[in-house]
Amino acid sequence: GENVEQHPSTLSVQEGDSAVIKCTYSDSASNYFPWYKQELGKRPQLIIDIRSNVGEKKDQRIAVTLNKTAKHFSLHITETQPEDSAVYFCAAHTNKLVFGAGTILRVKS
Amino acid sequence: GAVVSQHPSRVICKSGTSVKIECRSLDFQATTMFWYRQFPKQSLMLMATSNEGSKATYEQGVEKDKFLINHASLTLSTLTVTSAHPEDSSFYICSALVGASGGGELFFGEGSRLTVL
Repeated sequence: GENVEQHPSTLSVQEGDSAVIKCTYSDSASNYFPWYKQELGKRPQLIIDIRSNVGEKKDQRIAVTLNKTAKHFSLHITETQPEDSAVYFCAAHTNKLVFGAGTILRVKS
Repeated sequence: GAVVSQHPSRVICKSGTSVKIECRSLDFQATTMFWYRQFPKQSLMLMATSNEGSKATYEQGVEKDKFLINHASLTLSTLTVTSAHPEDSSFYICSALVGASGGGELFFGEGSRLTVL
C-alpha cells in the first residue's frame, strides 16, 4: 500500500522567513496530493493541492511542487506569519488518502 | 465547499459501553466516506472506507467487529465503537469524497473526541 513520509517533524522559523516541508510517496499510482493545516483539536483544513498532471501550483504565499519521477512533493510557505503556526500534513491519494506524519511549524515573532 | 457534519463532537463513556458517531454530508451525496483516528500528537490513520450500500473496507489491524461502520444512505455514515476501552480514547474524524476517486476532493467532519473512562 501507499506510504507517505514527511520531513521535518518540527520546523521553527522567524516571522517573514520561508518554510519548506517535504514529502515522499511510494505508490506511483497516486495522483492527488493535498496539504492540510490542522490546529489543535480541529479538523484538517485543505490549504493547497496538486494533481499528477501539474508540476507546480501557487496560491498567494503558499506553493506546492511535485516531482512524479522522484515521487516527492513539497510545500513552500513564504513570508511566514505567526498565524501560520500549526501542524501541517501532506497526503497522497489513489483510492484512499494516506497522510504523512505531520510537521509542527512554529513561526516566531 | 461541501459541508460534512460530525456528531457528537465530544463523548465520554464508561469502559465496556458502545458509542456511535455520525457523519453526515449536508449538501451533497457521498457514496464514499472515510473514517480516521488520530491519537495525540500523531497523524491521521485511516481506519476504514465506507461505501454506501455495501460493507466497509477496513485497513490492516483495524478490528471490524469492534469498529462497526454502517453507510445506509448517501448522506450518512456511522461508526460504532463497541465495548469501548480506555485505549480507544482518540479523536475520530470522518471525511467524504466529492467527485470521482482520483479526481475529487475530500472534506472532513469536525471530528469527535472520545474519552473512555
